[in-house]
Amino acid sequence: EAGVVQSPRYKIIEKKQPVAFWCNPISGHNTLYWYRQNLGQGPELLIRYENEEAVDDSQLPKDRFSAERLKGVDSTLKIQPAELGDSAVYLCASSSGGIPPFFGQGTRLTVV
Amino acid sequence: AQSVAQPEDQVNVAEGNPLTVKCTYSVSGNPYLFWYVQYPNRGLQFLLKYITGDNLVKGSYGFEAEFNKSQTSFHLKKPSALVSDSALYFCAVRPEYSNYQLIWGAGTKLIIKP
Repeated sequence: EAGVVQSPRYKIIEKKQPVAFWCNPISGHNTLYWYRQNLGQGPELLIRYENEEAVDDSQLPKDRFSAERLKGVDSTLKIQPAELGDSAVYLCASSSGGIPPFFGQGTRLTVV
Repeated sequence: AQSVAQPEDQVNVAEGNPLTVKCTYSVSGNPYLFWYVQYPNRGLQFLLKYITGDNLVKGSYGFEAEFNKSQTSFHLKKPSALVSDSALYFCAVRPEYSNYQLIWGAGTKLIIKP
């Protein structure tokens, strides 16, 4: 069974530029999560989808972050414009019928 | 406030020795408990979970964890450490009232020396 696939693995951008991350969850998993993980910390939830509906986006900084999950499968997370403090690893995870979620390898974002 | 504590930033163990990575939690009710491992430049991998039943649960790669309700702890253990066990380990807790929320510890770096 294929796992959660994320791309790109690494991204370096200048501040104020836009960036987008892509996630393909495990087939059949209706729940999709985006997490942000700072160095030396546990992941923090940004947004959770049930199929195509964002059911928990309370921790998503909506002034610059956006996400979508069209057709309830793949998802993209966008930052526009990026700030230096956005440097982190962005993790996508999916689950079916609750947790535990299964994680992708993450995208390491560096904003310079 | 609900929280998960991993009191040790780093644990050093000699190869072949037993290892313990500690986790305590402050969450109301009967939570579900999880351990994840993160290897360098990799995502989080699920190791094991406790939901109910036997206090000792077994997981992947020879790891096990012991749930202690009175001490609100869920320590990760392995009888004989391997160098390849060196990684970052995270404890996570799901509150009883939520199907989806996970409260994470800050992680413990495990170093196994040959």
